[in-house]
Amino acid sequence: QKEVEQDPGPLSVPEGAIVSLNCTYSNSAFQYFMWYRQYSRKGPELLMYTYSSGNKEDGRFTAQVDKSSKYISLFIRDSQPSDSATYLCAMSAPGGKLIFGQGTELSVKP
Amino acid sequence: DAGVIQSPRHEVTEMGQEVTLRCKPISGHDYLFWYRQTMMRGLELLIYFNNNVPIDDSGMPEDRFSAKMPNASFSTLKIQPSEPRDSAVYFCASSSQLTGFGEKLFFGSGTQLSVL
Repeated sequence: QKEVEQDPGPLSVPEGAIVSLNCTYSNSAFQYFMWYRQYSRKGPELLMYTYSSGNKEDGRFTAQVDKSSKYISLFIRDSQPSDSATYLCAMSAPGGKLIFGQGTELSVKP
Repeated sequence: DAGVIQSPRHEVTEMGQEVTLRCKPISGHDYLFWYRQTMMRGLELLIYFNNNVPIDDSGMPEDRFSAKMPNASFSTLKIQPSEPRDSAVYFCASSSQLTGFGEKLFFGSGTQLSVL
């Protein structure tokens, strides 16, 4: 079993839809949770960062962490064609390496 | 700041040939990471350096892979001899602190390697 599981998709939605992206994990020591966005032929770039449990909002993006269920989510409101990319969850334990999910390919259709 | 710079962007080679990938990290970053990305396995950490010293190479798949960091502004990842299963996108990333403390990673644009 992988430490981090993420549905690779692809996921296709119409413009304006609410998008939900999810990851599950098995290591209870993970404390730092991140979402990276990767456009085609580019390297990943950090989109959201959360420490421990709770929610964090940044514009149209909301990151949620539920440590009791070992489950993290990224919500995108009013999705735009420019949001079309691959979204990778990533997490780490204190002093540990960053472990990435497989990535979910998202396509937002105009 | 130019960001993390990788070269070449694309590399096509024949099986058995030596391949060298290059990376210039962001100035002032003490940590440098080499990742490999494939459809099947996603993004995998191969090796990382701290202050030019290799710290963890447990992700390097075989002895055919080697990495060096002769100074703070340059690193190489070498595959010798290359095999078709090495075909992937190789990313270099740098950060100012170990990622286990929530530090942000800055990635280069990657090298698309095709071994025929």
